[in-house]
Amino acid sequence: GNSVTQMEGPVTLSEEAFLTINCTYTATGYPSLFWYVQYPGEGLQLLLKATKADDKGSNKGFEATYRKETTSFHLEKGSVQVSDSAVYFCALYPYNQGGKLIFGQGTELSVKP
Amino acid sequence: GAVVSQHPSRVICKSGTSVKIECRSLDFQATTMFWYRQFPKQSLMLMATSNEGSKATYEQGVEKDKFLINHASLTLSTLTVTSAHPEDSSFYICSAKALAYEQYFGPGTRLTVT
Repeated sequence: GNSVTQMEGPVTLSEEAFLTINCTYTATGYPSLFWYVQYPGEGLQLLLKATKADDKGSNKGFEATYRKETTSFHLEKGSVQVSDSAVYFCALYPYNQGGKLIFGQGTELSVKP
Repeated sequence: GAVVSQHPSRVICKSGTSVKIECRSLDFQATTMFWYRQFPKQSLMLMATSNEGSKATYEQGVEKDKFLINHASLTLSTLTVTSAHPEDSSFYICSAKALAYEQYFGPGTRLTVT
C-alpha cells in the first residue's frame, strides 16, 4: 500500500541553523509528493511539490528533491527563522486513489532565537 | 488564487445539538472536497470525500449518519455533526481539489462540545 513516514519530532533548532526533515514513502507507480506546513491553530498550506523523479520543489528557502531510488523527499532549509516554527507534513498523491492525499504523521519544528 | 474558507472558525455547542461547518472554494470550482479531522499533535485523518451532486464516500470507521456531508454546488460543501458529544470535539479541516492533484486547505474549524 501507499504510506509516508516522517522523522519524529519535535525538532528544536536555533535561528539560522540548517534544517532537514526526513520523509520516505512507499507507493506503486509514480506518485506526486508534497510538503505542507501548518501554523498553530490554522489549516495546511502547500509549501512545495514535485511531480516526477529528480524534480526539486522549492519555496521560501525550503527545498526538497524527489528521489525515486531512495523513495525519499527530504525537506531542507539552509537557515531557519523563528517564524518557521510550525508542523510540517509530507504527503503523497498516488494516481489511483481518487485524489486522496496520504499524509505522514507530521514533524513539529521549534526554532529558538 | 486557490483560496478555501471555512465557517465558523470556532464553535462551542452543547452535547446533543447539531453543528454545521461550511467549506467554500472562493475563486475556483471544486468537484471534489475532502473532510479531515485532526486530534492534537496528530496528523490529519480523512473522514470522507465529497463529490458535487453525489453522495459522499466515507472512510472506514466514520459514521455517515453522524457526520452528514452535503456538496450541493461546485464551491460549497457542508459537514454537519449531528447529536454532538464531547468526544466529537476536534479540529475539522476541509480541502478542495483544484487541478489534477493539487488540494487547497481551509483554515480549519475548532469544535468544542460541552
